[in-house]
Amino acid sequence: AQSVTQLDSQVPVFEEAPVELRCNYSSSVSVYLFWYVQYPNQGLQLLLKYLSGSTLVKGINGFEAEFNKSQTSFHLRKPSVHISDTAEYFCAVSDQGAQKLVFGQGTRLTINP
Amino acid sequence: DVKVTQSSRYLVKRTGEKVFLECVQDMDHENMFWYRQDPGLGLRLIYFSYDVKMKEKGDIPEGYSVSREKKERFSLILESASTNQTSMYLCARFARQPNYGYTFGSGTRLTVV
Repeated sequence: AQSVTQLDSQVPVFEEAPVELRCNYSSSVSVYLFWYVQYPNQGLQLLLKYLSGSTLVKGINGFEAEFNKSQTSFHLRKPSVHISDTAEYFCAVSDQGAQKLVFGQGTRLTINP
Repeated sequence: DVKVTQSSRYLVKRTGEKVFLECVQDMDHENMFWYRQDPGLGLRLIYFSYDVKMKEKGDIPEGYSVSREKKERFSLILESASTNQTSMYLCARFARQPNYGYTFGSGTRLTVV
């Protein structure tokens, strides 16, 4: 069975600082990987996804993530955060060919001025 | 853009009531999902459906059932609501084309008193 671990439940950073949100997964088959963002009182919005090809994936709002198959990781990064990036971030995985998404526990990103 | 609409944003129900959560998508996609979101646990899959009148159990189906009479509508049913079902419920649809991925509704925050 697949599982996803987000290593930090909360990450506080200062505005304009870089940030990395960590995600590790376990799966015995090839996977697709996703990062979602949830702003307060809203649903989930797709930030980026890895399906195939380049292991460095660029998403919306200046975020990017790198798929590392040997370390089974898909860490999310942004070089300079803004107050508006305050949200909860979810990493998710699905088997290639299947459609069920398995989510991590979420990481709450707080940006301090 | 595909829209996934959940009929209620907030619901308050009494213990023992039968509760219906409705989800409607505006495209002809087969695959629909119900997730439950709790702090520190991320999103957990309750039920999903690959087509009309089709349903499969997810990871936490106990206490829930679903109905899919038409392709665009996927309902989650709490047969007898309990306080431990107080949660945020998110509906999603999956599509391979034109962009592989999932679209989520805004969520229904259910409180059982």
